[in-house]
This record gives sequence, structure tokens and C-alpha cells, in this order.
Amino acid sequence: GAGVSQSPSNKVTEKGKDVELRCDPISGHTALYWYRQRLGQGLEFLIYFQGNSAPDKSGLPSDRFSAERTGESVSTLTIQRTQQEDSAVYLCASSFGTGNQPQHFGDGTRLSIL
Amino acid sequence: AQTVTQSQPEMSVQEAETVTLSCTYDTSENNYYLFWYKQPPSRQMILVIRQEAYKQQNATENRFSVNFQKAAKSFSLKISDSQLGDTAMYFCAFMKLSGGSNYKLTFGKGTLLTVNP
Repeated sequence: GAGVSQSPSNKVTEKGKDVELRCDPISGHTALYWYRQRLGQGLEFLIYFQGNSAPDKSGLPSDRFSAERTGESVSTLTIQRTQQEDSAVYLCASSFGTGNQPQHFGDGTRLSIL
Repeated sequence: AQTVTQSQPEMSVQEAETVTLSCTYDTSENNYYLFWYKQPPSRQMILVIRQEAYKQQNATENRFSVNFQKAAKSFSLKISDSQLGDTAMYFCAFMKLSGGSNYKLTFGKGTLLTVNP
């Protein structure tokens, strides 16, 4: 597709379950980002992938959060043993390189933990 | 560390009028970008306009323009001839250009703009 694609669009799960969120970046974009947006807040940086370089995981809030990306393709964000405070919209973005290259965002996954 | 502050949680404007959204930031960096993103109910973040800090000329994109005051660390967005489709959350964001982490966007908390018919 032409844009960043994220799935699922919405996810409701029980506290303690694991969830996996998917992001399909724009073809050719080497950089991929995950952000979290809590209700009424701006976006918080979670993790950054650039090509085959080691990812910047400095924004991950706890060891329950992890993310993977194979090459320059799809990325998955996994949250283990979900807690209610994990409820948020998780947004993925990609860009053609970094620096002055704009980040293009997907529509996000709204995660609700019961 | 950088911080971005949007002091107006909500604003409203009548269709066809002009509105200005405020943003201030704090940084010790000299080379950076500033952005305004729009987030309609669809949730997708859409880039509205961006400004390179080294450029003195204010950026413009059709009905959208910025007032960039580097010394004051202020970056306001002016929307002219407001349209109903401009109704959205607007986020101001900062990104440094040099050194490590020159890819992280730091966002403000947003301003909800409602355009009334």
C-alpha cells in the first residue's frame, strides 16, 4: 500500500495477556518508529529501527515491552503480561532515512486492557 | 533533554476565520527541526508544516504558516480561512538534527481545535 499500515486497528484484551501489534512501513523506508499515545497526551517515543543497525530501545517503558523488525520490512511490538496502564494508542511511523526526512504515520492500534 | 509545551488544551474558531495555536520549547541544541502535526479522529498523524531552525524565514504551506521566534523558543501555527476539515488535535514537535538520537520526535500534549460552522 501507499502508506504505513498497522494492525489490528483496535485490540481489547484482559489484564495479564500478551499482545502483538503489527506495523507495515512504506516500501523503501529504512527507518521505523513506534510511539505510544496515552489518552489526552502527546506521543511518547518507544523504539527506533534503522536498517540493520542496533535499534534504539531507550523509550521502552519496561521489560514487558519488546519489538522486532526483520531488515526493512514489517515490525511487531509485543507487550507481555499487559497492565491497565498499557491502554493507549500505539502509533508506528516510517521514514526514508532520518534527519530531514519526515516521518509518515499509520492510523495506530488502540489497545484497551480490561 | 527537550521539552515542548502547548499551553492551550482547546481552542475554537468560526469557519473562514483565522486562528493561532501556541507552542514553546526548551532546548540547548542549535540545529533542529520544529513540526506541526494534525491528528483528526482517524488517529493518523499528518504533517502540516515544518521549520528548520537555521532558516529565519517562516515556513508557509497554503493556509498554514508559522511564526518562528528562535530566541524566544516559540513556534506558533496560524491557520487562515479555517475550514471544517481543520477540526483536529494539533501537536507541536521538536527533533534535533545533530548528535545522537537525531530522529526522535518530542511532542507537546496537543491542542484540540474545533472549527464551527
